[in-house]
Amino acid sequence: GAVVSQHPSWVICKSGTSVKIECRSLDFQATTMFWYRQFPKQSLMLMATSNEGSKATYEQGVEKDKFLINHASLTLSTLTVTSAHPEDSSFYICSARAAMFEQYFGPGTRLTVT
Amino acid sequence: GENVEQHPSTLSVQEGDSAVIKCTYSDSASNYFPWYKQELGKRPQLIIDIRSNVGEKKDQRIAVTLNKTAKHFSLHITETQPEDSAVYFCASHAPNYQLIWGAGTKLIIKP
Repeated sequence: GAVVSQHPSWVICKSGTSVKIECRSLDFQATTMFWYRQFPKQSLMLMATSNEGSKATYEQGVEKDKFLINHASLTLSTLTVTSAHPEDSSFYICSARAAMFEQYFGPGTRLTVT
Repeated sequence: GENVEQHPSTLSVQEGDSAVIKCTYSDSASNYFPWYKQELGKRPQLIIDIRSNVGEKKDQRIAVTLNKTAKHFSLHITETQPEDSAVYFCASHAPNYQLIWGAGTKLIIKP
């Protein structure tokens, strides 16, 4: 149980274009999902907390107009990187909270902006 | 806000020996402490967790201890094997339900 999928697993896009990443909880309902970014050899950096049916809460320093988050249902949250630039290249991981505490992670999306 | 410090950043042990990774947290209201294992390019996997009403929890070769007074918790891996090589992250569950992450420990198991 507690399986989270993420799509795509990797994407290459040109500078200035937008990319959408999907995160799905497959066998449970997740009222809260989290989006993280991870640079090589670093810890996970929380970008935003996404609650179903309401606006996402962004961490300090994360541009909400650049990283659009939509949590339209209890099993799906999407992250759209708008007007991507090379510095946005990173490993993006979502997680979903299955119960009060436990978080389960998606497999991650490797984004490369050229 | 909550802060989590993790040590060491790199740990190299001989196969079969034990490994211990330590974390300290700052918010006394934190009540849940998970440990995740992340292999290169893969997702973090929850390997063990402990809640604040328990002092120790064990699952086969893995154990976690919690000292609420000192605000630190540790991961213990006994009889280490090559497949234990990975980066391990501790985390602390803040009252607003976010996980505050440690910086990670790269565990290397030498054959």
